[in-house]
Amino acid sequence: AQSVTQPDIHITVSEGASLELRCNYSYGATPYLFWYVQSPGQGLQLLLKYFSGDTLVQGIKGFEAEFKRSQSSFNLRKPSVHWSDAAEYFCAAYDNNAGNMLTFGGGTRLMVKP
Amino acid sequence: EPEVTQTPSHQVTQMGQEVILRCVPISNHLYFYWYRQILGQKVEFLVSFYNNEISEKSEIFDDQFSVERPDGSNFTLKIRSTKLEDSAMYFCASVRGTSGTYEQYFGPGTRLTVT
Repeated sequence: AQSVTQPDIHITVSEGASLELRCNYSYGATPYLFWYVQSPGQGLQLLLKYFSGDTLVQGIKGFEAEFKRSQSSFNLRKPSVHWSDAAEYFCAAYDNNAGNMLTFGGGTRLMVKP
Repeated sequence: EPEVTQTPSHQVTQMGQEVILRCVPISNHLYFYWYRQILGQKVEFLVSFYNNEISEKSEIFDDQFSVERPDGSNFTLKIRSTKLEDSAMYFCASVRGTSGTYEQYFGPGTRLTVT
């Protein structure tokens, strides 16, 4: 069955440090891939998406993600984290052949130390 | 920028009661979704809706659940007889087209608490 896995439930980084959040997918073919952010009490906001082409995609708020087919991964990165980045991050996948819906990973809660 | 809205933001209900969660999707969007997130768990797909009928539904979406688009703007999720395990955050989403290349826009969610 199709699935999305985020191995890290919690991550704490210091403000100004770099960040990488991991995401792996298990699909028969390469799905469309997304990263969403959820701030406390808020809905899900799209950070970036990958459909095809350049495997390094840029998103909002200084985030980027790299698609690696060989590793079935789509890790989210940010070179310098700001305190306002503290939130929950969800990786999600969409496959036209596997239903018209997003499949989400379990989420990674990011905490930022001053 | 257009956005998906949901009401209420928080609903408390007693077990066995009916609840209706409301969503106003973005006006030119064609597909509508409900997802839910039980506290501490992942966001799960419930149902998708297109052209005034259910397009797909998950195993979670049993006979206790129904969806409706009663007019040109609202999209509702009804739970007929709520159970404790229905307590969750419910998200509505809408999308312009069927392909995954279109972004799903999510509302802020309704937190449902069943006591």
